[in-house]
Amino acid sequence: ELKVEQNPLFLSMQEGKNYTIYCNYSTTSDRLYWYRQDPGKSLESLFVLLSNGAVKQEGRLMASLDTKARLSTLHITAAVHDLSATYFCAVDISAGGTSYGKLTFGQGTILTVHP
Amino acid sequence: GAGVSQSPSNKVTEKGKDVELRCDPISGHTALYWYRQSLGQGLEFLIYFQGNSAPDKSGLPSDRFSAERTGGSVSTLTIQRTQQEDSAVYLCASSLTGGRGNIQYFGAGTRLSVL
Repeated sequence: ELKVEQNPLFLSMQEGKNYTIYCNYSTTSDRLYWYRQDPGKSLESLFVLLSNGAVKQEGRLMASLDTKARLSTLHITAAVHDLSATYFCAVDISAGGTSYGKLTFGQGTILTVHP
Repeated sequence: GAGVSQSPSNKVTEKGKDVELRCDPISGHTALYWYRQSLGQGLEFLIYFQGNSAPDKSGLPSDRFSAERTGGSVSTLTIQRTQQEDSAVYLCASSLTGGRGNIQYFGAGTRLSVL
C-alpha cells in the first residue's frame, strides 16, 4: 500500500524566513502534485512534477522531485502572510502503465506565517 | 469559465437516511474523481470516471456507496443508510482527459454531517 508522508505537519514561520516542506512516498512514481488549501476552501493546484530532477517555481514557492529518493520538496522563500494555508503533496498511483490520475495524498502541512 | 460545481455545499442528515451528492465538472473534462476528506483519514480517493464508465471504484468504502455519471458530465455520489463515520467533506475533481500530468480541478466540496 502506498504511503505518502509529509513533514512537518505544522509549520509556524516568521515573515521573511525560508523553509522546506518534505514529501516522502513509498513506491515508485514519477507523477507528483502539490496543492494548496485555504480554510473552508477547496484545493488549488500549485505544481505538477513528472520526471526525476523536475523543478518548478512560482513566486516564493519552488517544488522539486527526486524519484530515486522518492522525495519531493516544497521550498518557501521569504515567507509572507498570504502563504498561510495547508499544503498537500499527492502521488499518482494509477495501476499499470497508463496513468489516470488516482491520487494518494499526504497528510497536509498547515503553514502559518506570522508578521 | 466555470469551475467544478458541487451541491449541496452542506448536508445534515440522520443516521440511516440516504443522501445524494452532485458534481458538475468543468465542461469538456472527460475524467471525474470523487475524494473524501476527513480529520481522521485525510484525503482519500473514492472513484474515478472516464466518460460514463468507472474503471476504478476501489476507494468506495462499502457497498452503501455508489456513484454514477451520465452524459459524460454530471456525477452523483449516493450514500445509503448513512452512518456517523460517513461524516466528511466529499470533494469532486475533474481533469481534461485523466492522462499523465493532467491537473485535477477540485470543487468546493459537500460537507456531510450524519447525526
